[in-house]
Amino acid sequence: QKEVEQDPGPLSVPEGAIVSLNCTYSNSAFQYFMWYRQYSRKGPELLMYTYSSGNKEDGRFTAQVDKSSKYISLFIRDSQPSDSATYLCAMRENYGQNFVFGPGTRLSVLP
Amino acid sequence: DVKVTQSSRYLVKRTGEKVFLECVQDMDHENMFWYRQDPGLGLRLIYFSYDVKMKEKGDIPEGYSVSREKKERFSLILESASTNQTSMYLCASSHGGGHEQYFGPGTRLTVT
Repeated sequence: QKEVEQDPGPLSVPEGAIVSLNCTYSNSAFQYFMWYRQYSRKGPELLMYTYSSGNKEDGRFTAQVDKSSKYISLFIRDSQPSDSATYLCAMRENYGQNFVFGPGTRLSVLP
Repeated sequence: DVKVTQSSRYLVKRTGEKVFLECVQDMDHENMFWYRQDPGLGLRLIYFSYDVKMKEKGDIPEGYSVSREKKERFSLILESASTNQTSMYLCASSHGGGHEQYFGPGTRLTVT
């Protein structure tokens, strides 16, 4: 079993749809949870991060962490074609330096 | 504007060649990382460094070595390139204990 699992997609949705992206993990020591967005032929860039459990909202994006289920989600409201990218979840222990990444979900938002 | 740069966007090398990938960051970050990214496998950590001249093995260090002589520069070395090292290589940096990594644009290496 991989440490972090993520549905690779591809996921295609119409413009304006609500998108749900998810990751599951096995290491209960993870405390920092990040979502990165990676456009084609570019490096990943941080979208949102959450510490421990709970929700965090930033514009059209909401990140949720459920540590009891070892499950994190990223919701995108009113999706736009410019949201088309690969979305990577990443996690880190409290005092660790290493980040563990999921394999990424490729999202296409169709106009 | 924060910046991580990598020496090449595309590189083609022959089996057995020694390959150097360079990464430079201008943010005075303590930590620097080298990953490779393959379809379906995501980002896998090769090596990281938390200080000048310090290095730690990641998940897949075999066939690779690194060098960090200056804080802003982290080099990845493939001593004898093999075809299974064909991949996208990504460099990243972060503050010590920071939650955000800043990535370079990547180097797509093909070994023939």
